[in-house]
Amino acid sequence: EPEVTQTPSHQVTQMGQEVILRCVPISNHLYFYWYRQILGQKVEFLVSFYNNEISEKSEIFDDQFSVERPDGSNFTLKIRSTKLEDSAMYFCASGIQGLLEWANQPQHFGDGTRLSIL
Amino acid sequence: KQEVTQIPAALSVPEGENLVLNCSFTDSAIYNLQWFRQDPGKGLTSLLLIQSSQREQTSGRLNASLDKSSGRSTLYIAASQPGDSATYLCAPAGSNSGYALNFGKGTSLLVTP
Repeated sequence: EPEVTQTPSHQVTQMGQEVILRCVPISNHLYFYWYRQILGQKVEFLVSFYNNEISEKSEIFDDQFSVERPDGSNFTLKIRSTKLEDSAMYFCASGIQGLLEWANQPQHFGDGTRLSIL
Repeated sequence: KQEVTQIPAALSVPEGENLVLNCSFTDSAIYNLQWFRQDPGKGLTSLLLIQSSQREQTSGRLNASLDKSSGRSTLYIAASQPGDSATYLCAPAGSNSGYALNFGKGTSLLVTP
């Protein structure tokens, strides 16, 4: 069964450094997402991406964050200048969504990248 | 802003029991609702999806119901097994263009042999 893959599984970075988290969504999916989960807290939505642009973003997704689909397979999340509070598990997800009933399908999640900011 | 509450926060049951996990949400304008399972330190495994027009979905020993107008969903697990031990997350998807999932804090389930 196709799956969402994320790399690396664990990233350790010094505060203030840039970090890029990578994801390969399921190939026929059209919507791509990033979520994060701070240790012991609930999963939080960051951003959704469709047709090469952001379709929705949360308050957490400020100017320090950006997303990109640089080619036909990868989807990346960049944090420009990391802070201690960015330490979390970051999940990528993909799905087929839309107004038609057949498109109302689950979002599939990767195993996550654990980001540790020192 | 969508608020999702899951009750109970934690549950410990002996193997074989049937159990019900509850989820409530404040904004009934949802696209669908997914139930996930999360094992410690792991990712999210999708268990069931209920579209906003549906009332119920079943997969094996799992049955999920949705009452959109009252903002409630329940996950019923039949004949629980120790392998069912995990955190169960409820996540309604918004009907905005991005279909963002809003998660509850989860119910931590322990099934003892």
